[in-house]
Amino acid sequence: AQSVTQLDSQVPVFEEAPVELRCNYSSSVSVYLFWYVQYPNQGLQLLLKYLSGSTLVESINGFEAEFNKSQTSFHLRKPSVHISDTAEYFCAVSAVQGAQKLVFGQGTRLTINP
Amino acid sequence: DTAVSQTPKYLVTQMGNDKSIKCEQNLGHDTMYWYKQDSKKFLKIMFSYNNKELIINETVPNRFSPKSPDKAHLNLHINSLELGDSAVYFCASSQGGYASTDTQYFGPGTRLTVL
Repeated sequence: AQSVTQLDSQVPVFEEAPVELRCNYSSSVSVYLFWYVQYPNQGLQLLLKYLSGSTLVESINGFEAEFNKSQTSFHLRKPSVHISDTAEYFCAVSAVQGAQKLVFGQGTRLTINP
Repeated sequence: DTAVSQTPKYLVTQMGNDKSIKCEQNLGHDTMYWYKQDSKKFLKIMFSYNNKELIINETVPNRFSPKSPDKAHLNLHINSLELGDSAVYFCASSQGGYASTDTQYFGPGTRLTVL
């Protein structure tokens, strides 16, 4: 079984400041890792995912995440946030073998203040 | 064009009633899912169907019964509603069935309130 822990339930930052949202996971098998974002009153959207290869993955809107196998982490970062980044961010894992079954963390609410 | 749609968006009902939530995807995907998001935003998978076949069935009360008339639709029927069923229910779809690499596309959610 897998589990995901997002260490911060809320992260307030000022606009144009950098941000890091932390995610740690536990699994006895190899996993793929995902970050999904939920904007207010909407469903979740994929932000980025790590499948294999380079441990640093990027999204089209400036977010990046780095897979660290030894620390079982997949932290999400952005060097300069915008008001429009205000949302709930969910880290998730899925075992490599078998049907996709996303196991989500508790979510981190990112609030951007002007 | 809406990719994954759910109806209704809001559902308020009394304890003991039976209700259904409908989900449709126009992405041509083979796999559909139902998730429950509780009041603390914790999101957990309930069911997954691939080409109308049940492939994931988490520990969910028997009062919850998914039905997939075709691969573009996955409905959720709930019998004898309880207060604890109040949550936001999300439908999602993905292209493949057994590929853990797939991106899931989520609907806007249905907020169920049981009084």
